[in-house]
Amino acid sequence: EVQLVESGGVVVQPGGSLRLSCAASGFSFDGYSMHWVRQPPGKGLEWVSLVRGDGSITDYADSVKGRFTISRDNSKNSLYLQMDRLRTEDTALYYCATSGDDWQLYYWGQGTLVTVSS
Amino acid sequence: EIVMTQTPLSSPVTLGQTASISCRSSQSLVHSDGNTYLSWLQQRPGQPPRLLIYKISNRFSGVPDRFSGSGAGRVFTLKISRVEAEDVGVYYCMQGTQLPLTFGGGTKVEI
Repeated sequence: EVQLVESGGVVVQPGGSLRLSCAASGFSFDGYSMHWVRQPPGKGLEWVSLVRGDGSITDYADSVKGRFTISRDNSKNSLYLQMDRLRTEDTALYYCATSGDDWQLYYWGQGTLVTVSS
Repeated sequence: EIVMTQTPLSSPVTLGQTASISCRSSQSLVHSDGNTYLSWLQQRPGQPPRLLIYKISNRFSGVPDRFSGSGAGRVFTLKISRVEAEDVGVYYCMQGTQLPLTFGGGTKVEI
């Protein structure tokens, strides 16, 4: 059974930093791309970032480019999102999700809540 | 960036009837490899999104055949036949043809 478990969400002040983690199990982690998708409270879905299975390619939404960094450790079956210079508009539930090269988001975690507030 | 537009915003349905949701993209979703990477996701209240349909019309593992997808190019439809109480939630279309991946604004299905 595929499982994705996010962690690391907390309340942080504007301008602060945070690192999210996603622990994966039940599939060949290094064979799949991984994504972060976020959902502000009561709103829709916004794709944030992706990293290919071997870590060779990454991409970001314009709204986070230069502030967020995605990475993965295939030896630990883990995905990360380093979030710097956080803004109030980054407040959201952050999901990790997996896809093939077709960018179809097959499996999702339960999400971890990031609140940026003073 | 490809903009995805869903209609309606809300869809009241009667149990046992059919619900239909439309999704339109600002440009063709046909990839250079010939595939069209349009998917549909369901988000039940308090739950994460769940993939229902991928590449226009392929049902994901465990998805009932009451859910069907169709369309081509820029216009796509999700149909839910014989609506059940467990189908309540918000439905999103999503394109994976071009980065950044983008989602429709969501359609709320309520009984």
